[in-house]
Amino acid sequence: SYVLTQPPSVSVAPGQTARISCGGDNIGSKIAQWYQQKPGQAPVLVVYDDSDRPSGIPERFSGSNSGNTATLIISRVEAGDEADYYCQVWDSISDLRVFGGGTKLTVL
Amino acid sequence: QITLKESGPTLVKPTQTLTLTCSFSGFSLRTTGVGVGWIRQSPGKALEWLALLYWNDDKRYSPSLRNRLTITKDTSKNQVVLTLTNVDPVDTATYYCAQGNLSARYFHYWGQGTLVTVSS
Repeated sequence: SYVLTQPPSVSVAPGQTARISCGGDNIGSKIAQWYQQKPGQAPVLVVYDDSDRPSGIPERFSGSNSGNTATLIISRVEAGDEADYYCQVWDSISDLRVFGGGTKLTVL
Repeated sequence: QITLKESGPTLVKPTQTLTLTCSFSGFSLRTTGVGVGWIRQSPGKALEWLALLYWNDDKRYSPSLRNRLTITKDTSKNQVVLTLTNVDPVDTATYYCAQGNLSARYFHYWGQGTLVTVSS
C-alpha cells in the first residue's frame, strides 16, 4: 500500500513561514491536497490539486508537489494557523485515496 | 449550501456490524463527477480513508478494509450508507462523510463526524 510520511511536528514563530512536507514514492505523479484540522473540528480543505486554494482560504496558504515530496507552505503564520495538517493524495491509476500521518503545527 | 451529517450508533459490540448513514443536502449524487466518501479518525490518530461512492454507483474501498466495507446510496433520500462488518475495538473512531466534485479526488465538504465506540 502507498505510504505518505509527514513530520510529527513543526514549530514556527508568528510572521514566519511554515513548510510542512509530505513524502511518498513518486508523489509528484499524483495529485496532492492538504487539510487543516483544529481540535474537536472536522478537517478543512486548504489546498487542492497540488497548489490551488478553495475560496475563502487565505493566499498565505500554498502548495507544491514534485518528485518524492509535496509541501504545504504557510506564509506570515498567525496564531490561528495552529492546527494539525494532513496531506492526502489521489492516485489516478488506482483511483484510491491515502492520507498522511499528520503534522502538528505549533505557533511559538 | 452543501451540508453533510453522519448518524448511527454511538456504541457497538465487538463482532457486530456497524451501519452509518450520511445525510446530505445542497448537491445531487446524480451529478456527473460527484462522489461521497467516508473517512475515520481513531482518537489521537490520523485520518484514514475508507470508501468512496460515485454518482454512477461506482465504488472504491481502502485495500486494508475492503473485505469488511460496503458503501451504498439512496439517491431519493440523499443518503449514503457505510457498513463495516465484524467490528473490533480498534474500529473505535470518529467517522466522517465528505463530498467532492471532479471524481472526488479531494474532499471539499465534510460532515461534523460521529464518534463510534466498539466495546463489550
